[in-house]
Amino acid sequence: RKEVEQDPGPFNVPEGATVAFNCTYSNSASQSFFWYRQDCRKEPKLLMSVYSSGNEDGRFTAQLNRASQYISLLIRDSKLSDSATYLCVVAVSGGYNKLIFGAGTRLAVHP
Amino acid sequence: DAGITQSPRYKITETGRQVTLMCHQTWSHSYMFWYRQDLGHGLRLIYYSAAADITDKGEVPDGYVVSRSKTENFPLTLESATRSQTSVYFCASGGTPPLDTQYFGPGTRLTVL
Repeated sequence: RKEVEQDPGPFNVPEGATVAFNCTYSNSASQSFFWYRQDCRKEPKLLMSVYSSGNEDGRFTAQLNRASQYISLLIRDSKLSDSATYLCVVAVSGGYNKLIFGAGTRLAVHP
Repeated sequence: DAGITQSPRYKITETGRQVTLMCHQTWSHSYMFWYRQDLGHGLRLIYYSAAADITDKGEVPDGYVVSRSKTENFPLTLESATRSQTSVYFCASGGTPPLDTQYFGPGTRLTVL
């Protein structure tokens, strides 16, 4: 079983739609959680950190459920520019904060 | 400009050849990392370094060698390239934990024939 699992997609949605991505992790010692965005053939970039209380950044909302070991990302009012792969990332502390990446969920927003 | 750069961006080599991928960062981050990304897999850590002259293995270190004589540079060497090492390689840097954010370079696309 992979340490971080995501639905690979692709999610094909029209502009303006709301889309949700889910992610599960297996290591209960995980301490920090993130969503990264990766455009085609580009490097991953931090989209947002995920906090237990849930957090919002504009059209993006991230939620964490430690009991279920589940992380989500909600994108409201999708834009064409949101088309990318979204990586769920978990940090496990151990000397340094080891980042464990999910394989990513691909989002395609169409006109 | 400040940032993290990788060279070359693209490389084609043959089985058995030695290849070195370069990584340079200007932020003076203490931690640097090498990942590989393959279709269907998340990024997998090859090696990391906590500071100059301090390196350690990650998840998939076999066939790779690293060094870090200067804080800003972290080269990755494939001693004898194999086809299974065809991949996209990303270098990243980050501050001392608990500052978890890692900043990635643009990647090197390596093909081993």
